[in-house]
Amino acid sequence: ETGVTQSPTHLIKTRGQQVTLRCSSQSGHNTVSWYQQALGQGPQFIFQYYREEENGRGNFPPRFSGLQFPNYSSELNVNALELDDSALYLCASSVGQGTNYGYTFGSGTRLTVV
Amino acid sequence: AQSVTQLGSHVSVSEGALVLLRCNYSSSVPPYLFWYVQYPNQGLQLLLKYTSAATLVKGINGFEAEFKKSETSFHLTKPSAHMSDAAEYFCAVSGTSYGKLTFGQGTILTVHP
Repeated sequence: ETGVTQSPTHLIKTRGQQVTLRCSSQSGHNTVSWYQQALGQGPQFIFQYYREEENGRGNFPPRFSGLQFPNYSSELNVNALELDDSALYLCASSVGQGTNYGYTFGSGTRLTVV
Repeated sequence: AQSVTQLGSHVSVSEGALVLLRCNYSSSVPPYLFWYVQYPNQGLQLLLKYTSAATLVKGINGFEAEFKKSETSFHLTKPSAHMSDAAEYFCAVSGTSYGKLTFGQGTILTVHP
């Protein structure tokens, strides 16, 4: 059974650019969530997708957007990058959309905005 | 709304000593509670979770946590610390149907020989 894989592992972008981060869910998981973890902080919920539809969103601006594909892989897109977007971005997948199912996290993508 | 407070951003113990990491939560609905561990430059690994079954939850690597509703607490313990336990630990709560996790600020555990 494969876990959650994220790519790339590290990324450096310039302020104002756009970025796409990718996540492959664990086999059999149909729900994916994205979190932002700033240095020294706990992860913050960005949004969740269930069966290709967004079904929950945290306090992030619209320039943070996502997609979930029929194979349940997912993308996180961030437009107009700001310096404060520098963080570790974590993807988590689950077999269902309820919390009681539990979440498996990937190792994250470290984004640096300069 | 849910929130989590982890008391102590840094905890230091000697190898073989008791580990106690404190977590208090706030939730307007019956909560689901979790402890995750994060090693440097890695993602989060689930240690254990409380989902309204037994109040004493046993997890991996010898960790356990007790849900105390009256104290709104979910403290993490391990009887005997090992050097490999050195990491950052996060408590998280969820009360929503769609599974958003709200994390605490984290506690860095240092284990001395």
